[in-house]
Parts: sequence; C-alpha cells; structure tokens
Amino acid sequence: AQKVTQAQTEISVVEKEDVTLDCVYETRDTTYYLFWYKQPPSGELVFLIRRNSFDEQNEISGRYSWNFQKSTSSFNFTITASQVVDSAVYFCALSEGGNQGGKLIFGQGTELSVKP
Amino acid sequence: DAGVIQSPRHEVTEMGQEVTLRCKPISGHDYLFWYRQTMMRGLELLIYFNNNVPIDDSGMPEDRFSAKMPNASFSTLKIQPSEPRDSAVYFCASRGGRPKTEAFFGQGTRLTVV
Repeated sequence: AQKVTQAQTEISVVEKEDVTLDCVYETRDTTYYLFWYKQPPSGELVFLIRRNSFDEQNEISGRYSWNFQKSTSSFNFTITASQVVDSAVYFCALSEGGNQGGKLIFGQGTELSVKP
Repeated sequence: DAGVIQSPRHEVTEMGQEVTLRCKPISGHDYLFWYRQTMMRGLELLIYFNNNVPIDDSGMPEDRFSAKMPNASFSTLKIQPSEPRDSAVYFCASRGGRPKTEAFFGQGTRLTVV
C-alpha cells in the first residue's frame, strides 16, 4: 500500500531564512511518481513539481529545490531565502505506476508560515 | 481550457438533506479524483475513476456517500443524508494520460452541514 508522511505539521520562519519541508513515502512499486503541491491561503491547490522513480537528479527552480533520495524514500523540498508569499500549506503526493496505477494520495501537509 | 470546474463553490445545508457536488474535468483527461479536506484528516482521497469507471472507492467514508461519472465530462458526489461531520472542502481533480502526469484541481466546494 502506498503512503506519504509529512512529519512536520507546522513550520514558522522569518523572511530570508531557508526552510526544508520533509516528505517520506512508502510504496511497493518500482515505478512511481512523486509530486509537490502548494495550497496558499486562497485555498486552491497548485502543482509545483513531479519526479519519477527513475530520476534521482535533484531539481532547482529559482528559490525552490527538491532532493529525491530513493535510499531513504524521501523527497524533500527546500525554499531558499523564504518570502512572506511562500506562506502556504505544502503537500507531497505519490502515484504508483503499476497495473492499478493512477491512485494519487497526499501527505497530511506542512503549513509554512513566513514572518516578515 | 477552463480547468476543472466544480459547482457549487459553497453549499450550506441542513442535516438530513441530500447534497450533490458536481465536477467537470479538463477535456481529454481520463482520470478523475474526489478528495475531502478537513483540518483533522487533511486531504483524503475518496474515490477515483479511470475512463469513467470507478477504480478505487475505499476512501468513501460510508454508504451515505456515492459518486458517479456518467460520461467523460461530468461527475457527481452525493451525500444522502448529510451530517454535520461531512462539513469540509471537497475537491475534484483530473489528470490526463498516465500516472506520471500531475493532477489539476478544481477550486473546491466548501460544504457546511448545520
């Protein structure tokens, strides 16, 4: 069975600090896909990134970076030089790729508060 | 494309009433998901469809909940009878192609059962 754990319920930082959001997943599939979504205070869910299980290359997009490590089943998200606009709930998600692939489940989310 | 469209955006109903939430997925997408978001449970997957066929409904909380997808462009989630504990934000999402693609979410329906 697939499972996503985001152990950090809430994180509070001061603007310009770096912050890392943790995500640990469980799956029996060898082919799977990982995602991060952002939910700002307005409530919509916004897609940020996806990775497949065969690509462990880290990715950087502006102030955002993602570290995927299969050895520890983790897909962590780092925001560098955080800004107030980064305040949101961030969700990590997993989709398996086997015959019953398609099921997309989410972690509990981490609420990030960036204070000026 | 207009994205995933959900209606209504807000619904207030009395306990015991039937509630129907609606979703129009993105055209061409063959996966459709229904999620419920609450403070206590986070974002729970209720049910998902592939090519209009329900694949996994193990997240549906009880028999009061039912979901249908009569065609590729429309799905409903029905609660009958509704209870105060059903109050939540219900999201619909769709995804095209294979599991590797991301899902796109609607704006959600905020349901309040009084």
